[in-house]
Amino acid sequence: NAGVTQTPKFQVLKTGQSMTLQCAQDMNHNSMYWYRQDPGMGLRLIYYSASEGTTDKGEVPNGYNVSRLNKREFSLRLESAAPSQTSVYFCASSDRDTNTEAFFGQGTRLTVV
Amino acid sequence: DQQVKQNSPSLSVQEGRISILNCDYTNSMFDYFLWYKKYPAEGPTFLISISSIKDKNEDGRFTVFLNKSAKHLSLHIVPSQPGDSAVSVCAASGWAGSARQLTFGSGTQLTVLP
Repeated sequence: NAGVTQTPKFQVLKTGQSMTLQCAQDMNHNSMYWYRQDPGMGLRLIYYSASEGTTDKGEVPNGYNVSRLNKREFSLRLESAAPSQTSVYFCASSDRDTNTEAFFGQGTRLTVV
Repeated sequence: DQQVKQNSPSLSVQEGRISILNCDYTNSMFDYFLWYKKYPAEGPTFLISISSIKDKNEDGRFTVFLNKSAKHLSLHIVPSQPGDSAVSVCAASGWAGSARQLTFGSGTQLTVLP
């Protein structure tokens, strides 16, 4: 029962480097989400995808891009990493059409130096 | 401005006693509310939820109460167990565009003392 799988779990980047965070779910969910969590704050939505082929901005999209590759996979890309993007990133998925909870991955701890 | 607030950053209770965790929200468009548990280095895991058409939902030791007029919900855990020690996170769900979005509170660190 994999659920939502994120890779990598940890990453250190230098300012200006780029990287892609990968996320895959095996629950046949329509909706997928990327959040970031910073100390003392709640999870904040970066981008979401209501279905394959669609993506929309969340609360804090600046500096990020996303791709909904297929129904299973939703990736988050940092084109030019900045220290302000040091955070823990969580991917989640949910069934768009019912009032069910979102399921989360284990998180990616990203440090930008 | 935070739409979902958990004003208590921490709560300590004795094992076997009741834990009461509180959450306030501001957006009347939220129609579904959830509580998650979060351990360090893990993603949040779902605990219990409640629809806005109800005022109470029970699941074993966990009960969530919703007061829509006050825009307030609370999670009661009875009896509290040491395994409940984690960050309890409140979330509110509403439609935004074509998908439901969850808005999270900052969490309350619950510590259950043996």
